[in-house]
Amino acid sequence: QKEVEQNSGPLSVPEGAIASLNCTYSDRGSQSFFWYRQYSGKSPELIMFIYSNGDKEDGRFTAQLNKASQYVSLLIRDSQPSDSATYLCAVRDTGGFKTIFGAGTRLFVKA
Amino acid sequence: DTGVSQNPRHKITKRGQNVTFRCDPISEHNRLYWYRQTLGQGPEFLTYFQNEAQLEKSRLLSDRFSAERPKGSFSTLEIQRTEQGDSAMYLCASSRLAGGVYEQYFGPGTRLTVT
Repeated sequence: QKEVEQNSGPLSVPEGAIASLNCTYSDRGSQSFFWYRQYSGKSPELIMFIYSNGDKEDGRFTAQLNKASQYVSLLIRDSQPSDSATYLCAVRDTGGFKTIFGAGTRLFVKA
Repeated sequence: DTGVSQNPRHKITKRGQNVTFRCDPISEHNRLYWYRQTLGQGPEFLTYFQNEAQLEKSRLLSDRFSAERPKGSFSTLEIQRTEQGDSAMYLCASSRLAGGVYEQYFGPGTRLTVT
């Protein structure tokens, strides 16, 4: 059973701090990795994806991938109260079309 | 792009009834996915279409579930003889190849309540 594991949280950070969200996956052959944000009662919204080892930056967001450790993370700089949501890690399987989601980490940014 | 749309947004039905949901993907997106999400969990893969062909169906999906995508455009998901355990948010997503990766964009979902 291919799995994607996330700490359910909640993770609480003060406004302006860096929030660090982590994810591990079991399928060593996975190629693409995604981070989604989901507000309560809403559908997931794609934040960014990464497929090469290292860091990828997009505005206040940085995704980090370490395939050897089967670990992917998301850093949110200058956290804002509007960033309070559940963050879902998703991994595209070896076949290339099926995406496995973690259960998500709830983030609270305190004003 | 106008985004992925789903109808209805909410459905309340009695156990044993059949329900059908519709998904309209972003135009020209050739891949379409159905997921189910329950409280506190991430989306769970149900099935996947490339154009009109249904290429994968989750083993978790019973024979009561069926999906179609005629002509490779909109898709429908039907649940026959609904059970209380079917209560969930049903999400549709579509994608196309961009930058070497298929990025999935979700619709607003259909919330099903089986009483």
